[in-house]
Amino acid sequence: QVQLVESGGGVVQPGRSLRLSCAASGFTFSNYAMHWVRQAPGKGLEWVALISYDGSNKYYADSVKGRFTISRDNSKNTLYLQMNSLRAEDTAVYYCARDNTKWGGGDPFQHWGQGTLVTVSS
Amino acid sequence: SYVLTQPPSVSVAPGKTARITCGGNNIGSKSVHWYQQKPGQAPVVVIYYDSDRPSGISERFSGSNSGNTATLTISRVEAGHEADYYCQVWDSSSDHPVFGGGTKLTVL
Repeated sequence: QVQLVESGGGVVQPGRSLRLSCAASGFTFSNYAMHWVRQAPGKGLEWVALISYDGSNKYYADSVKGRFTISRDNSKNTLYLQMNSLRAEDTAVYYCARDNTKWGGGDPFQHWGQGTLVTVSS
Repeated sequence: SYVLTQPPSVSVAPGKTARITCGGNNIGSKSVHWYQQKPGQAPVVVIYYDSDRPSGISERFSGSNSGNTATLTISRVEAGHEADYYCQVWDSSSDHPVFGGGTKLTVL
């Protein structure tokens, strides 16, 4: 079955960087667009970034544009989120989620990872 | 960017019907998905494309969407329905998904 496992979270100081990974299994990773969605403590879901199946198209929320970079390695079935210039407001559980299309579209997110917690604090 | 508005909380007595709304400009022209999230867990789809129910989701969950409001309805509510619920649409103008702020359902 579809499995998504995030890793790389932890405590980081403001202004520093962190890279999250999402290991995918149980499906043909290279056929699907992928997303990162985050949830600050006690808050709602916030979409962060989208990457198309082949990595050619990338989209970002305004709150992270210019600081975060989404990427993928289809040979390793792994999705990444490079987070630079981190701020306290980036503190959240970060989930990876599989789209149901190659490019990103209107289908619901049926498959989510368990999330990895990023805490930005001095 | 497209904005979805949900009430922060809804309370309902056991056995009654809960209705959670999701407001957006002409949301009736979009497809709405609903997620249930329990503490410490990832979200789970309970309604997709306005009113379809995934396999394994109770028939007590239903959805509708018209005009400026989409509604998730949970009939014969029980303690196990207590959770946060989020609506979501695809914003075609910016090519990304948008989530509502979430509604905490409390079973009295």
